Amino acid sequence: QQQVKQSPQSLIVQKGGISIINCAYENTAFDYFPWYQQFPGKGPALLIAIRPDVSEKKEGRFTISFNKSAKQFSLHIMDSQPGDSATYFCAAWDSGTYKYIFGTGTRLKVLA
Amino acid sequence: GAVVSQHPSWVICKSGTSVKIECRSLDFQATTMFWYRQFPKQSLMLMATSNEGSKATYEQGVEKDKFLINHASLTLSTLTVTSAHPEDSSFYICSARDDPEEQFFGPGTRLTVL
Repeated sequence: QQQVKQSPQSLIVQKGGISIINCAYENTAFDYFPWYQQFPGKGPALLIAIRPDVSEKKEGRFTISFNKSAKQFSLHIMDSQPGDSATYFCAAWDSGTYKYIFGTGTRLKVLA
Repeated sequence: GAVVSQHPSWVICKSGTSVKIECRSLDFQATTMFWYRQFPKQSLMLMATSNEGSKATYEQGVEKDKFLINHASLTLSTLTVTSAHPEDSSFYICSARDDPEEQFFGPGTRLTVL
């Protein structure tokens, strides 16, 4: 119940394509869902986040879709660029234990 | 977004020595800081939660006597790896929580123990 399941593990997309990464959870105490981007040798950087009372949030080329009933959320990267090649982590804030639960990560490669 | 710094960014030490890593929130006060460990191509593993002025809360399986955490002020937390051994070599990342739930990560510290 403490897990956040993330898929796929790796993803290869052509430049200009759409990258889609999915996450699922079970714990209803999770109430804030951020996505992080991490480049090799660097710390994760917050990309975009959503709360469960919103079904979609868009910031530039990044969109989170959230399905509360299914306990699923996804990150869409539109017009993917080679510079987007990185590892992406979904996460959930557990308001019961006051800590973040992270997905296992998705390594995205965007081909030029 | 808020800025969190870590120092040093990388450190090499001999087995048996202790290493201190600093984590600072530069433009906000962080009542809570988190310390993570990350192995190559793996997710972040929470080591401990650090609250200003109180003892850190360690995750199950993390040796509190080996990984000493001090959160002396609202902008500074330190992680000391005591008597480091090669198996402690890893990428250590701190984060600081801005109210209510947003978390900002530091750039990480690469520790190599010879």
